[in-house]
Amino acid sequence: AQSVTQLGSHVSVSEGALVLLRCNYSSSVPPYLFWYVQYPNQGLQLLLKYTSAATLVKGINGFEAEFKKSETSFHLTKPSAHMSDAAEYFCAVSANTDKLIFGTGTRLQVFP
Amino acid sequence: DTAVSQTPKYLVTQMGNDKSIKCEQNLGHDTMYWYKQDSKKFLKIMFSYNNKELIINETVPNRFSPKSPDKAHLNLHINSLELGDSAVYFCASSLRTGRRTEAFFGQGTRLTVV
Repeated sequence: AQSVTQLGSHVSVSEGALVLLRCNYSSSVPPYLFWYVQYPNQGLQLLLKYTSAATLVKGINGFEAEFKKSETSFHLTKPSAHMSDAAEYFCAVSANTDKLIFGTGTRLQVFP
Repeated sequence: DTAVSQTPKYLVTQMGNDKSIKCEQNLGHDTMYWYKQDSKKFLKIMFSYNNKELIINETVPNRFSPKSPDKAHLNLHINSLELGDSAVYFCASSLRTGRRTEAFFGQGTRLTVV
């Protein structure tokens, strides 16, 4: 069975500071992992995905994530936060049956 | 052009009513999904269809019935609505089935049952 744990339901950073959103996964098969962002009252938008190619994955809006098998992690980072990054972020793993299993989400707040 | 569009965006209805949510994608994808997001923002899959054929049917009450008239459309009909059905329902599509294929989401339909 597959599952995802997102540590920290809320993360607050100052504008210009490093963003680190944590995601740990559990999977009985080699995982495919995704990060999605949800802005208020909107749908989910794909930020980046890991599909067993490069372990460091670059996404949109300056975000990147590194797949670490030894730590079963896929943390999302951005070197310098912008006010427009404030949103809900979801980590997801793709299960055997082709469905996405989501974490509980992390709300990112960015202060000026 | 909106890739995955849902209507309506907001739906307020009384307990016991029957309602439908429509979804259309213009991406040429073969696979479509319905996800439910509860009040705590938790997202869970309900159904998936591949080329009009039901692939995934999670443990969803029989009151929920998806219908896919063609591969570009996946509608969700809900009978005898209950308070607990209040949630945001997201339609999504992906190019094909397969674990590495990402899903594209619609804007969501916020259903409130009163």
